[in-house]
Amino acid sequence: NAGVMQNPRHLVRRRGQEARLRCSPMKGHSHVYWYRQLPEEGLKFMVYLQKENIIDESGMPKERFSAEFPKEGPSILRIQQVVRGDSAAYFCASSRTGYSYNEQFFGPGTRLTVL
Amino acid sequence: KQEVTQIPAALSVPEGENLVLNCSFTDSAIYNLQWFRQDPGKGLTSLLLIQSSQREQTSGRLNASLDKSSGRSTLYIAASQPGDSATYLCAVATDSGGGADGLTFGKGTHLIIQP
Repeated sequence: NAGVMQNPRHLVRRRGQEARLRCSPMKGHSHVYWYRQLPEEGLKFMVYLQKENIIDESGMPKERFSAEFPKEGPSILRIQQVVRGDSAAYFCASSRTGYSYNEQFFGPGTRLTVL
Repeated sequence: KQEVTQIPAALSVPEGENLVLNCSFTDSAIYNLQWFRQDPGKGLTSLLLIQSSQREQTSGRLNASLDKSSGRSTLYIAASQPGDSATYLCAVATDSGGGADGLTFGKGTHLIIQP
């Protein structure tokens, strides 16, 4: 039973390029969460999605960042026109239901480096 | 706004010692609290999940307690081993009244077990 999968594991982009991060939840999970871990800081919640719906995006930067979780395929976190400050580890988590009493399982993360 | 604090930020102890990691949170209206382990450059591994109605959870040499009213949790590690060296993260799921939210994380305790 595969866990949460993220790819790529490492991504290098130049300033101004686009970054696309993918997350496949655990089997049977239909709720996905994205978090960002900046150097020397804790993990910060970004967005919570169910299939085809954004439930809570209160942690998403207002510009350049977007997320989707289509009916088929992985969840995508998209960062347009990346800047050096976007360099971080981006983690995806999934849960079986969306109620907060359910355990979240994390993927290995995508480490984004912006040159 | 929920805030999570972990003390100490770093801890180094000889192998075999029992130790306690502390976590405090400002808003006691939580659904649950999770303890995670993060190895350098890796993702998060869930260690224990305590629901708001529970007082403690145990898994092997690990025991986590929760005092929701005082906003505190402890992670007790018995008979520590060098393989326990990692960063330990505490995270809470808060009842904001709007349903499920993302987890709020502390900055972690960096633990080193000396052989």
